This record gives sequence, structure tokens and C-alpha cells, in this order.
Amino acid sequence: DAKTTQPNSMESNEEEPVHLPCNHSTISGTDYIHWYRQLPSQGPEYVIHGLTSNVNNRMASLAIAEDRKSSTLILHRATLRDAAVYYCILNSGGSNYKLTFGKGTLLTVNP
Amino acid sequence: GAVVSQHPSRVICKSGTSVKIECRSLDFQATTMFWYRQFPKQSLMLMATSNEGSKATYEQGVEKDKFLINHASLTLSTLTVTSAHPEDSSFYICSARVSGSFNQPQHFGDGTRLSIL
Repeated sequence: DAKTTQPNSMESNEEEPVHLPCNHSTISGTDYIHWYRQLPSQGPEYVIHGLTSNVNNRMASLAIAEDRKSSTLILHRATLRDAAVYYCILNSGGSNYKLTFGKGTLLTVNP
Repeated sequence: GAVVSQHPSRVICKSGTSVKIECRSLDFQATTMFWYRQFPKQSLMLMATSNEGSKATYEQGVEKDKFLINHASLTLSTLTVTSAHPEDSSFYICSARVSGSFNQPQHFGDGTRLSIL
């Protein structure tokens, strides 16, 4: 699976929107963009995924660039419970749908 | 939503002990489950892919005789760390996919923190 690049850390204030970027310049046409997050001492939690069009769910929105070489996870109103490591992962569905986790972005939310 | 239960959540045991960790999909069938290991301040590393009714596929560098995986049913996979030593102390996490789904997310357990004295 193609590699992704994320900032090591970001900081936000409570109740403000957060935009978490992810670069994936070598993405292939069949790669889906997945986002997971991991709270301290817990297993990862699925957030959202998409292929080409922007996606919305109850947790977040995913904005995908037209050329698909980057994407942004949007938390509309950050809460203290959103403090976690956020992982952007590409997956084409091959190799039994294995996920390769990078270092992710550590999001700190200030009260 | 799809729920994955992992048990136990924490194990502390002596060196040389074998430890079994269970991963269950509670409300869906999972043909494929995955086992990860995470050391402090590091990311998750995939250890093996567990396939129901067949042998697990191990990632490069993971000893299959050390980490025994059994996936006997569509809702249960087990990881046994045999003759565990202090260097095996880590956070072990399983995940599962809904059978037959295309590019749907993996659902993760809450992890097992293994400490070998």
C-alpha cells in the first residue's frame, strides 16, 4: 500500500474545528483513504473512509483533493475526548485488507 | 455497530509462562482477523493475519512457533504467546473485518497489555 505523510502533532482548542492533513502523493486509483484514531491505552477506532468524493458521518468529515494526492480529516467541534493519535491509511483491499499504520498525528485538545 | 471483544485486558505473569489472548467478534462474522503489537510510544505493527479454518499468515520477522494463532470459528481467534519472556511485554491488539465486505473498516478490540516479569 502507498505511504502517507502526516504532521507529528497538532493542537486545538475545545469546541473549535480541527483540520488534520494527510499527504498521499503515490496513491493508486484503487486505494481507499481510511482514518482511524487511537485514544490512550485503547485499540484504534474507525473514524471514516472514502475513495474520491467527500464523506460525512457522525464523527467527522473527510475532504479529498481532486487529484486524490491529499486529504483532510475535519472534526467540526473538537472535544477533550477527541484527543488521540489519528492515523491516515491507504488500503486497496488487496492482501486481505491489511492496514499499515504509520506514526499518525497526535492531537492535543486544550480546554 | 460491529463490536470486537478482547480478553483479558491485562496480564502479568512470570517469564516462561504461555499466555492466551482471545479476540471475539460479538455481533458479526469475521473470516479474517488481524493481530497487532504496539510497544510504548510506537505505532501498531501487524504480526499476523488470521484466517478462519486455515493457517495464519505471519509478517516477516514474526516467529510463528512463538506466537500461535488459532481461528477455529467465524467469531473467535486466539493468540498464544508461548514461553513468554520480558521482551514479549507489549500491548497486543486484535481486529476483525465483516465477512464478505469490500473495503469496509476493521473493528478493533481494546487491547491486552502483557507484562512479563
